[in-house]
Amino acid sequence: GAGVSQSPSNKVTEKGKDVELRCDPISGHTALYWYRQSLGQGLEFLIYFQGNSAPDKSGLPSDRFSAERTGGSVSTLTIQRTQQEDSAVYLCASSLAGLAGSETQYFGPGTRLLVL
Amino acid sequence: RKEVEQDPGPFNVPEGATVAFNCTYSNSASQSFFWYRQDCRKEPKLLMSVYSSGNEDGRFTAQLNRASQYISLLIRDSKLSDSATYLCVPLRINTGKLIFGQGTTLQVKP
Repeated sequence: GAGVSQSPSNKVTEKGKDVELRCDPISGHTALYWYRQSLGQGLEFLIYFQGNSAPDKSGLPSDRFSAERTGGSVSTLTIQRTQQEDSAVYLCASSLAGLAGSETQYFGPGTRLLVL
Repeated sequence: RKEVEQDPGPFNVPEGATVAFNCTYSNSASQSFFWYRQDCRKEPKLLMSVYSSGNEDGRFTAQLNRASQYISLLIRDSKLSDSATYLCVPLRINTGKLIFGQGTTLQVKP
């Protein structure tokens, strides 16, 4: 069966440009998460969606970062005016319902973003 | 203090060895815990879930000590394919938010 997919797999951009990263969760999973992993670092939580709403955006590092989810499925993470420190692997995960936090989160392969 | 602390290693062990990783967490509200493994340049994949005092799955045993806020992962009879980074991940209750440590790197040598 299909797992979580992300696109693009790699993105190189110039400082100051906007980028959009896409995540397709596992079909039927209502909870969706975005994480970021900088080189040699652990994963950092960015935002969590339950359906189309985001009850927890606490991890978004600045107002240049935004995310949306439509139709309870696909999510897009947008980074405006990219900076070099935004370079990282952006990982998306999904889980069945996200209730009580006890469910397994399945990760996509990530988007490797490099800002020159 | 970091919410999750792990010895980054690397742990270099020969094939067949038994190795144990420790993890401490600071948020006593965490009720669910996971061990994920992450291969180089790959996404994390779930290894084990720990909801009560522990869990065992083949060569892998996880133990949880809530009083000491401590989780361990024991790997017996190490294989070359066990080489990876092991991530201790408490889950913040009612948020779904996984809190990742930096992980412990294991290298199993022939």
